[in-house]
Amino acid sequence: EAGVAQSPRYKIIEKRQSVAFWCNPISGHATLYWYQQILGQGPKLLIQFQNNGVVDDSQLPKDRFSAERLKGVDSTLKIQPAKLEDSAVYLCASSLTGLDDAQYFGPGTRLLVL
Amino acid sequence: GDSVTQMEGPVTLSEEAFLTINCTYTATGYPSLFWYVQYPGEGLQLLLKATKADDKGSNKGFEATYRKETTSFHLEKGSVQVSDSAVYFCALTSGDGNEKLTFGTGTRLTIIP
Repeated sequence: EAGVAQSPRYKIIEKRQSVAFWCNPISGHATLYWYQQILGQGPKLLIQFQNNGVVDDSQLPKDRFSAERLKGVDSTLKIQPAKLEDSAVYLCASSLTGLDDAQYFGPGTRLLVL
Repeated sequence: GDSVTQMEGPVTLSEEAFLTINCTYTATGYPSLFWYVQYPGEGLQLLLKATKADDKGSNKGFEATYRKETTSFHLEKGSVQVSDSAVYFCALTSGDGNEKLTFGTGTRLTIIP
């Protein structure tokens, strides 16, 4: 069974530029999560989707971050414009139903904002 | 809100030593508790979990017991190997139906032969 796929793996941009990350969850998983992991910290949830609906985006900085999950499968996370403090690893995870299921994580996208 | 506090690292042990990584939590509801592991160059993987008080999660020789009275979920292994070198994250879900994970800051473990 294929795992969670993410791309790109690495991205370097200058502040005020835009960037987008892509995630393809495990086939059949209804719930998809985006986490931000700043160096030396644990991952922090940005947004949770159930199918193509948003369940929780309370910690998403909506003035610059946006995410969508069209057709309830793939998802894209965008940052526009980027700030220096957005430098982090962006993790995508999926779970079967979101109800006490294990979450399976992708390898992450490492973003450096200069 | 919910939070997880875990032992700061880095932790360095010799092969075959006994391992304990402490984890305590604060939660308003009845959380489920998890340990995730991140091996070098790989994504986060679920190591073990426990969903109610006194449950013991175990996997790959690692164990952790859900202690409600002390709000703890300490990770233990009797004899570590070099291949256990990784970053370990304690985490919880709130148990209120929203299954987002709240993570601790992680503990980097290095095992030397």
